[in-house]
Amino acid sequence: AQSVTQLDSHVSVSEGTPVLLRCNYSSSYSPSLFWYVQHPNKGLQLLLKYTSAATLVKGINGFEAEFKKSETSFHLTKPSAHMSDAAEYFCVVSDDQAGTALIFGKGTTLSVSS
Amino acid sequence: KAGVTQTPRYLIKTRGQQVTLSCSPISGHRSVSWYQQTPGQGLQFLFEYFSETQRNKGNFPGRFSGRQFSNSRSEMNVSTLELGDSALYLCASSLVPLGTSYNEQFFGPGTRLTVL
Repeated sequence: AQSVTQLDSHVSVSEGTPVLLRCNYSSSYSPSLFWYVQHPNKGLQLLLKYTSAATLVKGINGFEAEFKKSETSFHLTKPSAHMSDAAEYFCVVSDDQAGTALIFGKGTTLSVSS
Repeated sequence: KAGVTQTPRYLIKTRGQQVTLSCSPISGHRSVSWYQQTPGQGLQFLFEYFSETQRNKGNFPGRFSGRQFSNSRSEMNVSTLELGDSALYLCASSLVPLGTSYNEQFFGPGTRLTVL
């Protein structure tokens, strides 16, 4: 069965410092992995996705994530945080072979201070 | 291109009532999925429709149902509302069905349902 664990429920950083949001997954097959962001009172926006092409995936707004099969991880990073990055971030797994629905992590709230 | 739209944005109902939520996908998208978001349970998949057929269903009681029309618009219905049904209901559309490689879902802003 698929599952995804976001290791931190809340991460606080200062503007201009690096961001690291951690995600571990469990999947029987080769999964597709996604990171979504949700700003207050808004829908979810896709940041990036991994679909077995390149292990280092670049997304929008300077975010990137690295797929590490040996560690079953898909951590999200950004070199320099901006105030507008404050939001909730969801790591998501989709089991393409099983054709099942998306499984969302519990979310990580990112706070950015000036 | 217009994004995914959901109506209404906010809804207040009382226990025992029923409610219908609407979702209009991005033009050309034939897959519509519904999710429930609550502080306690997070985001949970309800069901997916593709070309008017339900393809997947999450672990929700039969009070939750949906349908899709020939123009790909979808409705979700919840009957006999309970207090625990209070949540943000999100709809997402995509060109291809869930589970297809390179599937990308576009989310609407959600409908905030409050059950009193």
